[in-house]
Amino acid sequence: KQEVTQIPAALSVPEGENLVLNCSFTDSAIYNLQWFRQDPGKGLTSLLLIQSSQREQTSGRLNASLDKSSGRSTLYIAASQPGDSATYLCAVARFIQGAQKLVFGQGTRLTINP
Amino acid sequence: DTGVSQNPRHKITKRGQNVTFRCDPISEHNRLYWYRQTLGQGPEFLTYFQNEAQLEKSRLLSDRFSAERPKGSFSTLEIQRTEQGDSAMYLCASRRHGSTEAFFGQGTRLTVV
Repeated sequence: KQEVTQIPAALSVPEGENLVLNCSFTDSAIYNLQWFRQDPGKGLTSLLLIQSSQREQTSGRLNASLDKSSGRSTLYIAASQPGDSATYLCAVARFIQGAQKLVFGQGTRLTINP
Repeated sequence: DTGVSQNPRHKITKRGQNVTFRCDPISEHNRLYWYRQTLGQGPEFLTYFQNEAQLEKSRLLSDRFSAERPKGSFSTLEIQRTEQGDSAMYLCASRRHGSTEAFFGQGTRLTVV
């Protein structure tokens, strides 16, 4: 059974710091890995998608890496801002019982302090 | 707006009542998913449609839950005889055939009192 773990569960840092969020998964047979942002009481906004054949993706101040062999991904946020405060979820796409599905971690709740 | 749309955004219901949620996927996406997210947890898979065919249901989906996608476009998720444990965020996602990227709606937050 695929399990996805995110560490830390919560993180609070001062504005301007660079930070790293971690995601680990137990089964390397994945199609891709997606990082999502979720604001309180809202849905999921896709931030970055890394295909299984790729090593990293970048969008603005965000950089995500993928190491399938070790079952790890990191989301790097540069020069953090208070507007980055949200819960960040990683999810791996796997083919399970005839359907491609996303398996999510529990998320990292990020607070950026002004 | 051409994103995934979910209605209603919020629903408060009394225990034992039936509720129905709607999801309108991105127009060219033939894959549609329902997920459930409880407080402090990541979303969990409930069910999956390819066009109008419901191809899989999670064991999380008890017989009080039913989902349809009658014309392969919008989908509905109905919960009968709601229980307090059904309180959660219900998320819909869609995906285009040939793509591995899923797009999510804003969710429907259900509170059973």
